[in-house]
Amino acid sequence: NAGVTQTPKFQVLKTGQSMTLQCAQDMNHNSMYWYRQDPGMGLRLIYYSASEGTTDKGEVPNGYNVSRLNKREFSLRLESAAPSQTSVYFCASSEAPGSPLHFGNGTRLTVT
Amino acid sequence: QKEVEQNSGPLSVPEGAIASLNCTYSDRGSQSFFWYRQYSGKSPELIMFIYSNGDKEDGRFTAQLNKASQYVSLLIRDSQPSDSATYLCAVSWGGKLIFGQGTELSVKP
Repeated sequence: NAGVTQTPKFQVLKTGQSMTLQCAQDMNHNSMYWYRQDPGMGLRLIYYSASEGTTDKGEVPNGYNVSRLNKREFSLRLESAAPSQTSVYFCASSEAPGSPLHFGNGTRLTVT
Repeated sequence: QKEVEQNSGPLSVPEGAIASLNCTYSDRGSQSFFWYRQYSGKSPELIMFIYSNGDKEDGRFTAQLNKASQYVSLLIRDSQPSDSATYLCAVSWGGKLIFGQGTELSVKP
């Protein structure tokens, strides 16, 4: 019973490098989300996908792109990483927009 | 910009006491309110959620909504050291959950 699976768990990038964070859920949820968490800032929404085929910007979308590959998978891409993107990234899913979120275990990203 | 505000704490209570956590929100149209618990280094886990039509009790936890004053509270009765964690409040807005910055709770034996 995996729930929401994120890969990788840890990543170190140099400034300017690119990478994609992967997220998959096996709960047949319609909606998926990407959040970042910084000390003292709580969780801030980067992008979300209310349903397969749709994506929308959240509170802090600059510097990121997303792809809702299918109903199960939602990836987050950093095209040119910056030190300000050092954070813990959480993927989450829910049955429908606005319903309770189920979180993955997070990806700890460091950009040097 | 919709806002959700929490006192970052830390809030310290003795074991067995009632812990009271509060959260204010700016959008009068919000309909759903959520409380998550997050242990250090772990992902958030849902404690409970309520809709705008009423409060909810689940075991030692009670979530209460004051729509007129735009705040939601979480009461933890008979607090235990295992309740020590950061508690995140979230409010549903436009199909998205917007989180507060979290309140750190410390329960002292």
